[in-house]
Amino acid sequence: EAGVAQSPRYKIIEKRQSVAFWCNPISGHATLYWYQQILGQGPKLLIQFQNNGVVDDSQLPKDRFSAERLKGVDSTLKIQPAKLEDSAVYLCASSLRSGTDTQYFGPGTRLTVL
Amino acid sequence: SQQGEEDPQALSIQEGENATMNCSYKTSINNLQWYRQNSGRGLVHLILIRSNEREKHSGRLRVTLDTSKKSSSLLITASRAADTASYFCAPNYGGSQGNLIFGKGTKLSVKP
Repeated sequence: EAGVAQSPRYKIIEKRQSVAFWCNPISGHATLYWYQQILGQGPKLLIQFQNNGVVDDSQLPKDRFSAERLKGVDSTLKIQPAKLEDSAVYLCASSLRSGTDTQYFGPGTRLTVL
Repeated sequence: SQQGEEDPQALSIQEGENATMNCSYKTSINNLQWYRQNSGRGLVHLILIRSNEREKHSGRLRVTLDTSKKSSSLLITASRAADTASYFCAPNYGGSQGNLIFGKGTKLSVKP
């Protein structure tokens, strides 16, 4: 079974530029998550999708971050414009049904904002 | 905060020794999950223990859950250098969202 795929693996941009990350969850998984992990910290949930609907985006900085899940499968997370403090690893995860299930994580995208 | 709090923050042991990491949380949970993260990589799920379970095993891993004390522990027996990683506990409070809330983790270093 293929795991969660993410791209790109690394991205370096200047502040005020925009960036987008892509995630392809495990086939058949209804729930998709985006996490932000700052160095030395645990992952923090940004947004949770159930199929193509948003379940929780309470910690998503909506003035600069946006996310969508196309047709309930792939998802993209965008930052526009980026700030220095957005430097982090962005992790995508998926689970079979609901938020109480085991989550399977992708390798992450390491973003550096200069 | 509803995140899990891991203890200790860092642990250094010799290969072959056992490693014990503890986790405390604040309110009633649906389940509690343990994850491992090797440096620069994504998280790998280790064990999910439900609120009505007290102990679970998986290979060299043993997880216990004490809901009366709102705490869990992860024991790695006969540790190997490859076990060097950060370990996170994530309480899952269930409900309509049921997402995981991660703490800062325990950084385990196993020396050969």
